[in-house]
Order: sequence, then C-alpha cells, then structure tokens
Amino acid sequence: DQQVKQNSPSLSVQEGRISILNCDYTNSMFDYFLWYKKYPAEGPTFLISISSIKDKNEDGRFTVFLNKSAKHLSLHIVPSQPGDSAVYFCAAATNSGYALNFGKGTSLLVTP
Amino acid sequence: DAGVIQSPRHEVTEMGQEVTLRCKPISGHDYLFWYRQTMMRGLELLIYFNNNVPIDDSGMPEDRFSAKMPNASFSTLKIQPSEPRDSAVYFCASSFPGILNTEAFFGQGTRLTVV
Repeated sequence: DQQVKQNSPSLSVQEGRISILNCDYTNSMFDYFLWYKKYPAEGPTFLISISSIKDKNEDGRFTVFLNKSAKHLSLHIVPSQPGDSAVYFCAAATNSGYALNFGKGTSLLVTP
Repeated sequence: DAGVIQSPRHEVTEMGQEVTLRCKPISGHDYLFWYRQTMMRGLELLIYFNNNVPIDDSGMPEDRFSAKMPNASFSTLKIQPSEPRDSAVYFCASSFPGILNTEAFFGQGTRLTVV
C-alpha cells in the first residue's frame, strides 16, 4: 500500500512563476521527508529535506513546508526556471529504518 | 568519489534467462538499497542492507528475485528466471544516515528489458 502519495502526476508552470508540488503521507511514524529530482535516464538526486521537528526548510529557490497534523508536505519553487523541468519525488523515512518510501512522482514542466 | 556505480546501464534478455545487476555503493556508506521504478508503481523499495546484512526484503516481488552484499563495496540483484513483467529501471542507492538527514545517493540505474 502506498504510504506516500503524490496525487498530481504532472504540473505545468510558466517560467518565473511559483511551482507547488504536493505530497501526502499516511504513516505517522515518518520522521524525515525528502524531495528528489529526476531527469530522464538519470538516477534521482536529492533536493531538499525536512525533519518532523520543523515545519519549514528553505534552500535558495526551494522551500519545503510540512504540516504534520494534516500529514501533508509541499515543495515550492520560486521562481521556476526551465531547468527545473523534471520528475519530482516525495520520500519519507522513519528514524529506525532509514529506507525511503517514495511517492509516484510529479512531472513538472516549466515553459518559457 | 564517483558516486554509486551500477552496471550494466542497459540489459535486454530473453524470458527465462538469469539476469544479474551490479552495484558499487559510495565508500563509507553503510546502507545500500535496491529500488525498482515502473510506470504503475513508481519507485518501490525491493530490499536494503545495513553493514552488508539484509534488513528488510519484504519488497522483493517473489522468489525469483534475490540480492546479496558479499562486502561493503559490492551488491548484486539477481532475477532467475526473468519474465517480461520484470522490465523496469532498477536503481541502487547508498546512504550514511545521520541524526538530521537520511539522504540516499542513487546510481544511474539499469534499464532491464525482458522480451
């Protein structure tokens, strides 16, 4: 059963605008949440993470927000650039196993 | 470090044949993961090791799949016999989790096609 869900398979955004990618999870034992970015024919690469003790983490144009009560997190990209076009995976892990549970991914297209 | 290295990058095999995928994790990483990516299921965890010991293999689809980690620098995922539904991209990843991060580093994947 999918414990991490990304309900939007795709998203299209204009360059310069904000991209918001959403993720929901069901396992309340998750302690760490990560976003990965994947280009075609490459492996996923780590983008940004957040611990369950925080509700926001920012790294340049990328910000992740965590709402534990709603079991929801989101990734904001501002401003979006064409090079951000990729598949974004949300992942979560507990502090006892470290194995990442991934969502199915959201394909982001940033148009000029 | 060159990162996680997987071989081969592409594999085409006939149904019923044995397939072996290989992975060299990043030196010093004590966790190694095997994932499979398909359109239907996304990225699913097959098995992971800690210090060369298998910790959780509940994601391995069936007995046709097996994985080994004979030492800290090498792991294999074997499918015997292979079936067309095994066609997917298989990723190996490694990590050295700390208190504040569980980031895993992925290889470039092996695209397996079983015909």
